[in-house]
Amino acid sequence: ETGVTQSPTHLIKTRGQQVTLRCSSQSGHNTVSWYQQALGQGPQFIFQYYREEENGRGNFPPRFSGLQFPNYSSELNVNALELDDSALYLCASSLDKVSLYGYTFGSGTRLTVV
Amino acid sequence: RKEVEQDPGPFNVPEGATVAFNCTYSNSASQSFFWYRQDCRKEPKLLMSVYSSGNEDGRFTAQLNRASQYISLLIRDSKLSDSATYLCVVNSLKNTGTASKLTFGTGTRLQVTL
Repeated sequence: ETGVTQSPTHLIKTRGQQVTLRCSSQSGHNTVSWYQQALGQGPQFIFQYYREEENGRGNFPPRFSGLQFPNYSSELNVNALELDDSALYLCASSLDKVSLYGYTFGSGTRLTVV
Repeated sequence: RKEVEQDPGPFNVPEGATVAFNCTYSNSASQSFFWYRQDCRKEPKLLMSVYSSGNEDGRFTAQLNRASQYISLLIRDSKLSDSATYLCVVNSLKNTGTASKLTFGTGTRLQVTL
């Protein structure tokens, strides 16, 4: 089984609300990345954190923000939710910041915005 | 042009058939390449890394052609359990080499039937 756990598994929010999604990475994995996967699409890179600092960001607006903690956990925060934010949000961890050998994904949080 | 392009399928094949998936990528500086498998409403799972020399894992063979920026996956003797979406994934470094991100294709859906 995956060493990356995400919570909650499912969530329903109303447009305009704020949401926090959580991820617990594998022990020793200093890098965590977050991805958004809309229905019928491949996952899209949101951002990456390495040792508690953001060190890479995809094409997502500032209302998508994150935090990484020393205990290998992390959060994805989304403010002012829009209907198009409905998606599967995936957290992935890796040993180092360039991660040439792939990532381990959590099972995701399915967010529905109504 | 998308950074990673795949035929979305679906590919419907009978059990025992050989099926080939193709993928092209646009970033010539990409560092590493993968095929991930994603079952319905689940997270992506690493199927195999892809190397220029080609690599094989049982019924699965992956190949990378850096000159053509082309990646392939061949599945021999298809099983019902191979039914899933297959995602072509490229890992690219940031300019500074301090971070990387995975770029996914939209995935190719495979349905293996009796």
